[in-house]
Amino acid sequence: NAGVTQTPKFQVLKTGQSMTLQCAQDMNHNSMYWYRQDPGMGLRLIYYSASEGTTDKGEVPNGYNVSRLNKREFSLRLESAAPSQTSVYFCASSEGTDYTEAFFGQGTRLTVV
Amino acid sequence: GEDVEQSLFLSVREGDSSVINCTYTDSSSTYLYWYKQEPGAGLQLLTYIFSNMDMKQDQRLTVLLNKKDKHLSLRIADTQTGDSAIYFCAEIPGYSSASKIIFGSGTRLSIRP
Repeated sequence: NAGVTQTPKFQVLKTGQSMTLQCAQDMNHNSMYWYRQDPGMGLRLIYYSASEGTTDKGEVPNGYNVSRLNKREFSLRLESAAPSQTSVYFCASSEGTDYTEAFFGQGTRLTVV
Repeated sequence: GEDVEQSLFLSVREGDSSVINCTYTDSSSTYLYWYKQEPGAGLQLLTYIFSNMDMKQDQRLTVLLNKKDKHLSLRIADTQTGDSAIYFCAEIPGYSSASKIIFGSGTRLSIRP
């Protein structure tokens, strides 16, 4: 039982390059989330998807797009990477938006040079 | 304000109690959480408390909630080396949707021999 799986674990991009971070969960959860974690700033919500077919902006959506491909998968795309997007990215899922427990992936460490 | 506030660092001696403090933003928050992040890993839910409770105890963990002061604390009794991690306080404010959980910046707990 894998839980929440993120790929890749590490990535280095040049400014202006694009990439997609993948996330999949095998717990049949309705809600999925993308966060970024920066030193001293906790986790900030980028986008979330309350259910299959819906996505909504979080606190820091600029420079990102998302796709809820199906109930299992929720991808995060950087169309034109910037150094300010250097961060650790976490995907999470929960059964509903009630949020009694969220399950997190291992994280993707992204560096934009 | 909008921030969930925590001190960034705490150092305790092995076997002593650790107390991690948090000030949250919204007195109408329904759920308050403590998440634990071990090095190189995602966050894991440690415990949570409903806003109608003052205290919750679970083995070595004690959560205290002071709604009047919007203060949440996590006490870890008999702290062990395996407790070394970053601890995040989090809330779901009553004014936001349940998907928009707000995390504190995290408290890094280190254990001295």
